[in-house]
Amino acid sequence: DTAVSQTPKYLVTQMGNDKSIKCEQNLGHDTMYWYKQDSKKFLKIMFSYNNKELIINETVPNRFSPKSPDKAHLNLHINSLELGDSAVYFCASSQESSSPYEQYFGPGTRLTVT
Amino acid sequence: AQSVTQPDIHITVSEGASLELRCNYSYGATPYLFWYVQSPGQGLQLLLKYFSGDTLVQGIKGFEAEFKRSQSSFNLRKPSVHWSDAAEYFCAVGAVTGFQKLVFGTGTRLLVSP
Repeated sequence: DTAVSQTPKYLVTQMGNDKSIKCEQNLGHDTMYWYKQDSKKFLKIMFSYNNKELIINETVPNRFSPKSPDKAHLNLHINSLELGDSAVYFCASSQESSSPYEQYFGPGTRLTVT
Repeated sequence: AQSVTQPDIHITVSEGASLELRCNYSYGATPYLFWYVQSPGQGLQLLLKYFSGDTLVQGIKGFEAEFKRSQSSFNLRKPSVHWSDAAEYFCAVGAVTGFQKLVFGTGTRLLVSP
């Protein structure tokens, strides 16, 4: 059973396009996150949702819009893709009420913008 | 602001030798500290965590880490490295900024030689 899953695993697209990445967790967690990992492996949080409410919104261009239809899903939509958006995007989840910060990560989505 | 420093970008260890990966953090209060491992093409897996209590914590895969408040360090150790331990290792600190989030170090790549 996959705990945190992401689709697609790879995404190759051209500049200016709009794309979405989906994330689902079956752990019953109340909080979900999106991270961006750049080419130097630096991992930085982008967004966090707790019980479908946005709670962390780091300095991210407004071309990036997260959406949480329910507690088990957190999707990331990116408009007008740019070359600099090429990275690996990780989804994660945690149960903040009982195990704060203990985050479980998905396998990542490698986005390549050409 | 919270920060994590992993001074070693790469470390090469012979199989069967001991390992120590360094991590220093900057945080005003008692930190929550974590080590994650990322195998090639995979997501991050939690190795171990420190919240409070015993400063020597045991994790999965034979890893341990020691919290030293006086040195602001949380170094990861393993007495005998296996070839399958080759991966990227990330230290992280849990930061309370209105809501919990993890701040990651830049990672240390472990190479295991035969």
